Amino acid sequence: DTGVSQNPRHKITKRGQNVTFRCDPISEHNRLYWYRQTLGQGPEFLTYFQNEAQLEKSRLLSDRFSAERPKGSFSTLEIQRTEQGDSAMYLCASSSHRDKNTEAFFGQGTRLTVV
Amino acid sequence: DAKTTQPPSMDCAEGRAANLPCNHSTISGNEYVYWYRQIHSQGPQYIIHGLKNNETNEMASLIITEDRKSSTLILPHATLRDTAVYYCIVRPPGTYKYIFGTGTRLKVLA
Repeated sequence: DTGVSQNPRHKITKRGQNVTFRCDPISEHNRLYWYRQTLGQGPEFLTYFQNEAQLEKSRLLSDRFSAERPKGSFSTLEIQRTEQGDSAMYLCASSSHRDKNTEAFFGQGTRLTVV
Repeated sequence: DAKTTQPPSMDCAEGRAANLPCNHSTISGNEYVYWYRQIHSQGPQYIIHGLKNNETNEMASLIITEDRKSSTLILPHATLRDTAVYYCIVRPPGTYKYIFGTGTRLKVLA
């Protein structure tokens, strides 16, 4: 198992463009999370999936943000009409369903820069 | 808001034990304490978690006070590679999300 994989690792985009990030969780992990981290701050929760169902969303997830996990495996996070304030590290994590208290494992993140 | 408070920074000499404190005075009976660390520009790395008993693994030990209102993460022999931001997290009940605070920036000194 290679852990949680995120692609791309870095993305530079012009303001107003749409971007999409992909997350491949650890195999057989049915829980998947997205977080955002800005410089000097801890990660902030964005959304959570159990299998393909999106069960929790943060108020941070504005209408320009959408996340999907269509087959309960990989997930995508799309940001439409990017703004400079969207520049951040976007982190994905996954955890097993076997124990509700089990730990989550994070990927290395996708660093987005909006210019 | 994070349910934990941690000192913003600490220094530790290489080879010595690093003891990182965390206060979680509002923790409820069935909430676990999780510790993660983040080395610059990388994703958070899981270290250890526990409920009420002390826990130990290959990375660290977690000591939770009897009243569960505080805990200490112990890195027994700190190395330069342990320099990182350490986060203590108590997950809100009924949710699977972690609420990260600003953590403790540990600097291991040669």
